[in-house]
Amino acid sequence: EVQLVESGGGLVQPGRSLRLSCTASGFTFGDYAMSWFRQAPGKGLEWVGFIRSKPYGGTPEYAASVKGRFSISRDDSKSITYLEMNSLKTEDTAVFFCTRASSYNGYDSSSYWGQGTLVTVSS
Amino acid sequence: EIVLTQSPGTLSLSPGERATLSCRASQSINSRYLAWYQQKPGQAPRLLIYGASSRATGIPDRFSGSGSGTDFTLTISTLEPEDFAVYYCQQYNTSPITFGQGTRLEIK
Repeated sequence: EVQLVESGGGLVQPGRSLRLSCTASGFTFGDYAMSWFRQAPGKGLEWVGFIRSKPYGGTPEYAASVKGRFSISRDDSKSITYLEMNSLKTEDTAVFFCTRASSYNGYDSSSYWGQGTLVTVSS
Repeated sequence: EIVLTQSPGTLSLSPGERATLSCRASQSINSRYLAWYQQKPGQAPRLLIYGASSRATGIPDRFSGSGSGTDFTLTISTLEPEDFAVYYCQQYNTSPITFGQGTRLEIK
């Protein structure tokens, strides 16, 4: 059974940093791109970024709203993907979801989602 | 950026009725790159349809997707009580990946 478990969310002050982790199980982690999405309270879904599988370059791509502030990485030996968030703003407050793409490429639908972790940016 | 506009914003129907949800794109999308998700309160989204018309694993056949170019449709043939939720379309044809604003399907 595919499982994705996010961790690392919490309350953080504006301008500070936070790292989210997503631990995967139930599939061959290295074969798939991993994506991050977020959902501000009461709002819709927003793509944050993804990282391709290593055989296809392992390269990340980001939404314009987070590019230069957020960084996605992966450790295939541990089946974990990370979302490093720097220079956080109040508008980054959201539930962050980790997902598994349907293929090696992040430009794909997300077959599996974690339960989400809440990040609150506030002073 | 491809903007997806979903209509209606809210759809009020009764169990047993047919639901038709629309997603219109600001520019043409390869239908291989259009998906639909269902989200219930407090839960993560669930993939229903990918490639505009292919049902994801475990999705009942009362859910169907259609469309091409700029106009796509999600149809629920006979509503069950568990189908009342928010539905999002998503395009992953070009960067940035974008979602529609959602259609809330509520019990009439």
